[in-house]
Amino acid sequence: LAKTTQPISMDSYEGQEVNITCSHNNIATNDYITWYQQFPSQGPRFIIQGYKTKVTNEVASLFIPADRKSSTLSLPRVSLSDTAVYYCLVTDRDDKIIFGKGTRLHILP
Amino acid sequence: DAGVIQSPRHEVTEMGQEVTLRCKPISGHDYLFWYRQTMMRGLELLIYFNNNVPIDDSGMPEDRFSAKMPNASFSTLKIQPSEPRDSAVYFCASSTDRYSNQPQHFGDGTRLSIL
Repeated sequence: LAKTTQPISMDSYEGQEVNITCSHNNIATNDYITWYQQFPSQGPRFIIQGYKTKVTNEVASLFIPADRKSSTLSLPRVSLSDTAVYYCLVTDRDDKIIFGKGTRLHILP
Repeated sequence: DAGVIQSPRHEVTEMGQEVTLRCKPISGHDYLFWYRQTMMRGLELLIYFNNNVPIDDSGMPEDRFSAKMPNASFSTLKIQPSEPRDSAVYFCASSTDRYSNQPQHFGDGTRLSIL
C-alpha cells in the first residue's frame, strides 16, 4: 500500500524557520498536495495546498519539486502556538486518500 | 458556519457492546469522510460518501464496522461488537470535493475507549 513518509518529530525555537518534508513517491498525477495542522483534542485543520512549484499564504509556504514525489512545508518564524502535529495528504495512483502519520513539532522558548 | 459536528465527544464502553458514532457535515458539502486515528497508524481513511452514497469502504477494518448516510446532514459509524483494539479517535470530515483541491473540514472527533 502506497504511503507517505514524514519525520516523527521535530524541535525548534521560537523565531526560527521550520521545514517539514513529506515523501509521497506514488502520488497521483492529477491531485494536489495538502497539509493540515492538528492541536490536541481537535480535528486536523487545513493549512495550505499546492500542485507544483511554490505556494505561499499568510501562514506557510509549500515547496513542491518538479517530480512531485515530495513536498516541504515551511513555517516562517515559528512561535509557541505552532506546537502541533502536521500532516501531509495526497491521493495515490490507486486513487486512495493517504494521510501520513504526522510530524510532531515542538517549539521551545 | 457551525462546522462539522460529531457526537459523542467521548465514549467508554465494555467490549462486546454496540457503539454508534454520529456526524453532521457542513451544509452543502457533498463528500463525507470517516477516519480513525491511532498513535501507531496515524490517520486512516475508513470510508467516504458522495451524495449519501458510499464510494470507497476499502479502509473499513472488518465486518464489525458499518457506516450509513441516510441523508445529506447525518452519518453514523457503527461498531458491533466492539473490541479493545477499536479504541481510537474517530474523525468525520466533509468537503465539496473528493480531491485535495478542496480541503476537508474535520470535526473534533470522538475518543472511543473499549474496556
